[in-house]
Amino acid sequence: ELKVEQNPLFLSMQEGKNYTIYCNYSTTSDRLYWYRQDPGKSLESLFVLLSNGAVKQEGRLMASLDTKARLSTLHITAAVHDLSATYFCAVDISGGSNYKLTFGKGTLLTVNP
Amino acid sequence: DVKVTQSSRYLVKRTGEKVFLECVQDMDHENMFWYRQDPGLGLRLIYFSYDVKMKEKGDIPEGYSVSREKKERFSLILESASTNQTSMYLCASSFSGGVYEQFFGPGTRLTVL
Repeated sequence: ELKVEQNPLFLSMQEGKNYTIYCNYSTTSDRLYWYRQDPGKSLESLFVLLSNGAVKQEGRLMASLDTKARLSTLHITAAVHDLSATYFCAVDISGGSNYKLTFGKGTLLTVNP
Repeated sequence: DVKVTQSSRYLVKRTGEKVFLECVQDMDHENMFWYRQDPGLGLRLIYFSYDVKMKEKGDIPEGYSVSREKKERFSLILESASTNQTSMYLCASSFSGGVYEQFFGPGTRLTVL
């Protein structure tokens, strides 16, 4: 059974600081997805990482994938209040006909002035 | 842009009522999913469908059924609503073509009294 673990689950940080959210998974996969959810809203796709070493960046967020370590990171640079949200990573099992994604429990990020 | 819509944003029903939640996507996606999201429990998959009239149980199918008569539409049915089904319900869709990025609808917040 594929397990996806995120840490930390709660992150309170000051504006202007840097931090990293980690996503570990238990089974071979080379596809990983990051989503953002604002309070009371639905999930919005942020990044799709499709191979070992993949790196994607948008604004102050950068995601990377190390399939050998079964690890993805979401790095936040110079945080601003607008980044406050819950961030989920999700993994699918490569090559399977199972179309499901397995989601982590989410990291609630709060950026304080 | 992919658009996934859900029939209601907020719904209040009474215990024992039959409840229909509808989801429509406009991108010709093969796969459609129903999740529920509760605080502290993350996203839990209820049912998914990979083709018209095809369905598979997710992690928590008890108390729910689904219907997919047309490719663009996936319905979640609560045969006899109970208070423990009060939750946020999220619909999602994805292609079958190798990248299983899911696109989410806005969600339906269901309250069962």
